[in-house]
Amino acid sequence: DAKTTQPTSMDCAEGRAANLPCNHSTISGNEYVYWYRQIHSQGPQYIIHGLKNNETNEMASLIITEDRKSSTLILPHATLRDTAVYYCIVVNDYKLSFGAGTTVTVRA
Amino acid sequence: EAQVTQNPRYLITVTGKKLTVTCSQNMNHEYMSWYRQDPGLGLRQIYYSMNVEVTDKGDVPEGYKVSRKEKRNFPLILESPSPNQTSLYFCASSNLAGGPDTDTQYFGPGTRLTVL
Repeated sequence: DAKTTQPTSMDCAEGRAANLPCNHSTISGNEYVYWYRQIHSQGPQYIIHGLKNNETNEMASLIITEDRKSSTLILPHATLRDTAVYYCIVVNDYKLSFGAGTTVTVRA
Repeated sequence: EAQVTQNPRYLITVTGKKLTVTCSQNMNHEYMSWYRQDPGLGLRQIYYSMNVEVTDKGDVPEGYKVSRKEKRNFPLILESPSPNQTSLYFCASSNLAGGPDTDTQYFGPGTRLTVL
């Protein structure tokens, strides 16, 4: 299964866009990129997913490079409630493997 | 309200004393899964189930058992708990069978287990 690499932490100013990078250089053609987030010790919350094309929903945008070896999650207008750990995962078959994620702190 | 419930939410037990953590979902989801979360390690999948009577190992299945006798329930069983199973456990379910383009996974509130 493809593994992902994310920065350990990052800060973001409230109201600004937050760009969260993820490296998945060993991803294979049929594997999707998923993003989840976890606030405190609550259950993770789904954000967005994609295969090749860029995706957007009410929460975020997902930009996947043409070679699919990396992606970026964009929170367009970060709020204090977006402070969380963000997980980039690659889904193959029915197994989900979460890494350590990126701790995002949104500051007023 | 659509939800995944887990019980108990908190449990302190001793080594070797069998325990079961229940998980139930009311969304008629086929796919269910268990994860454990430890500091610095993120979430790791223990077992998953694609449907009734169908289960398979995740990344860290050792020391755990599961069963899927009913679609809505997916209990996690620790036959002989050990201190290294002290962790935060999450159950999750999904509408589609957890395939690559699966619908969102819904997570339960978590069960914090301490094994002394």
